[in-house]
Amino acid sequence: AQSVSQHNHHVILSEAASLELGCNYSYGGTVNLFWYVQYPGQHLQLLLKYFSGDPLVKGIKGFEAEFIKSKFSFNLRKPSVQWSDTAEYFCAVNARGGYQKVTFGIGTKLQVIP
Amino acid sequence: DAGVTQSPTHLIKTRGQHVTLRCSPISGHKSVSWYQQVLGQGPQFIFQYYEKEERGRGNFPDRFSARQFPNYSSELNVNALLLGDSALYLCASSWEASGDLYNEQFFGPGTRLTVL
Repeated sequence: AQSVSQHNHHVILSEAASLELGCNYSYGGTVNLFWYVQYPGQHLQLLLKYFSGDPLVKGIKGFEAEFIKSKFSFNLRKPSVQWSDTAEYFCAVNARGGYQKVTFGIGTKLQVIP
Repeated sequence: DAGVTQSPTHLIKTRGQHVTLRCSPISGHKSVSWYQQVLGQGPQFIFQYYEKEERGRGNFPDRFSARQFPNYSSELNVNALLLGDSALYLCASSWEASGDLYNEQFFGPGTRLTVL
């Protein structure tokens, strides 16, 4: 069974600071990887996804993530955060093949201070 | 194009009652999955349905059941509600059933269930 570990549960940053949120997964086979964002009072939105190819993927709003297969990691980055990035971020994985069960991490709450 | 829709938006029930939540997938999507998101946690997989058949089930008790209709919409039913069932219930749809390449899930806004 797959599992996802997010290292930081609550992160507080000042505007313009750089962001890196850690994510590691556990699964022996091939996976699809995702980062979702949940803004206050809004529903889950896809930030970016990795299926194959270039391990550095770019998403919406200036976010990017790098898949490092040898480390089972898929860390999320943004060079300069804005107050509007205040939200909860979820790393997720689903195993290639079989039925489609997306396993989510516990989430990281990001608070950006103006 | 309309995304995944869910109804109702909010629901308040008391312990022991039964609840039905509804989901309409994106047009053309044949797979519907249900997730439970308890406050402070990530979503947890409950069920996946494809072509009206259950394809996957998470670690939830038999009080939870679901079905999918010929038009691919779906219902999630929860019997004998407990306080711990209070959560945001999310529906997601995709083209196919499997976790294959590029078969991405799209999430709806969720139904907020409060059990008193």
